[in-house]
Amino acid sequence: DTAVSQTPKYLVTQMGNDKSIKCEQNLGHDTMYWYKQDSKKFLKIMFSYNNKELIINETVPNRFSPKSPDKAHLNLHINSLELGDSAVYFCASSQDGTTPRETQYFGPGTRLLVL
Amino acid sequence: KQEVTQIPAALSVPEGENLVLNCSFTDSAIYNLQWFRQDPGKGLTSLLLIQSSQREQTSGRLNASLDKSSGRSTLYIAASQPGDSATYLCAAPNSGNTPLVFGKGTRLSVIA
Repeated sequence: DTAVSQTPKYLVTQMGNDKSIKCEQNLGHDTMYWYKQDSKKFLKIMFSYNNKELIINETVPNRFSPKSPDKAHLNLHINSLELGDSAVYFCASSQDGTTPRETQYFGPGTRLLVL
Repeated sequence: KQEVTQIPAALSVPEGENLVLNCSFTDSAIYNLQWFRQDPGKGLTSLLLIQSSQREQTSGRLNASLDKSSGRSTLYIAASQPGDSATYLCAAPNSGNTPLVFGKGTRLSVIA
């Protein structure tokens, strides 16, 4: 059973389009995260989400917005895609995001290429 | 603001060798520190998590140590195997309720 899953695995799209990446966790965790790994393989936090409340937004452009229909899902919506958005996006979850004493579990990543 | 640095950036060793990967962090007020493994084109797999009150954690051939006072952690891999080839990432949270801050990783190649 996959603990944290993401769809799609690959996403190729044109500049200016709007796209979404879905994430689901079946671990019963309270907190979910989105990370971006750029071309230099540097992994940086974008958002964390706890009980439908955004905890941290690491100054990402407002073209990016997390949407959580329920506790098990945190989807990432991206409007007006730009070339610089090309990266691998990872979803993760942890039991308790207010005090990060627990392991974070990562999804397999979504490779986004903007042409 | 937490900064995490990993040295070396890449490492190549013959099979069977013991090796050490290094991680340093600037803010020692951390709740824990995690080591992850990332295979090419894949996601991250958590290897070890060390709580701030602990000095080390062991899992099989892996041993991770934590020295908060010096802002350092090491990942020791015993009797390395070709299957250990991957990028190893160290991550620590800022103090408080922020998510993980990652180092840039050490790319390990174990040659058969």
